[in-house]
Amino acid sequence: DQQVKQNSPSLSVQEGRISILNCDYTNSMFDYFLWYKKYPAEGPTFLISISSIKDKNEDGRFTVFLNKSAKHLSLHIVPSQPGDSAVYFCAASAEAGGADGLTFGKGTHLIIQP
Amino acid sequence: DTAVSQTPKYLVTQMGNDKSIKCEQNLGHDTMYWYKQDSKKFLKIMFSYNNKELIINETVPNRFSPKSPDKAHLNLHINSLELGDSAVYFCASSRSLTSRNYGYTFGSGTRLTVV
Repeated sequence: DQQVKQNSPSLSVQEGRISILNCDYTNSMFDYFLWYKKYPAEGPTFLISISSIKDKNEDGRFTVFLNKSAKHLSLHIVPSQPGDSAVYFCAASAEAGGADGLTFGKGTHLIIQP
Repeated sequence: DTAVSQTPKYLVTQMGNDKSIKCEQNLGHDTMYWYKQDSKKFLKIMFSYNNKELIINETVPNRFSPKSPDKAHLNLHINSLELGDSAVYFCASSRSLTSRNYGYTFGSGTRLTVV
């Protein structure tokens, strides 16, 4: 029962171009969404988040877009840099379920080509 | 100075053994968690621990028991290890159960291999 889905296991993007990572969710109780970045042999690192009352949140090169009606969010990285090569996890939580923690997708491996 | 540290980083052990994984955070956070990343790469919550209140994911076997000597530590003890317990275990912390906008800080993980 995948409540958070990242359907692209990997994505290859040329350096300097835009990287777009997608995430879909099924649980309508989710109202907070986060993106994490993970390098090999390290733990996930918090990148950016968005509340369901917004449709966009921007932090430097990273922007997250939320389409509630479609239950879809995306992470845009512009411009893409070699250091962005990592696995990106989409995560979601429900306000009432703080103790339920975060529900993660399987991740998308982003590869930035020089 | 690592914010959330886990030891050991790698653990290889035989079926039936009992083992512990230690976790410490120096962020002053109130809540700590254990997550399991299985072979399918899903990160799933096992436990959350906040102000001495333990909240257990009901799918976690009772062979797994978290132990928190103080707010900065949440250790994971596993009894009678099984092959299916092989996974990467991540410890994490957050300011509180409700501080979702700051995200979690994760440790670097412990790769457990049961043979």
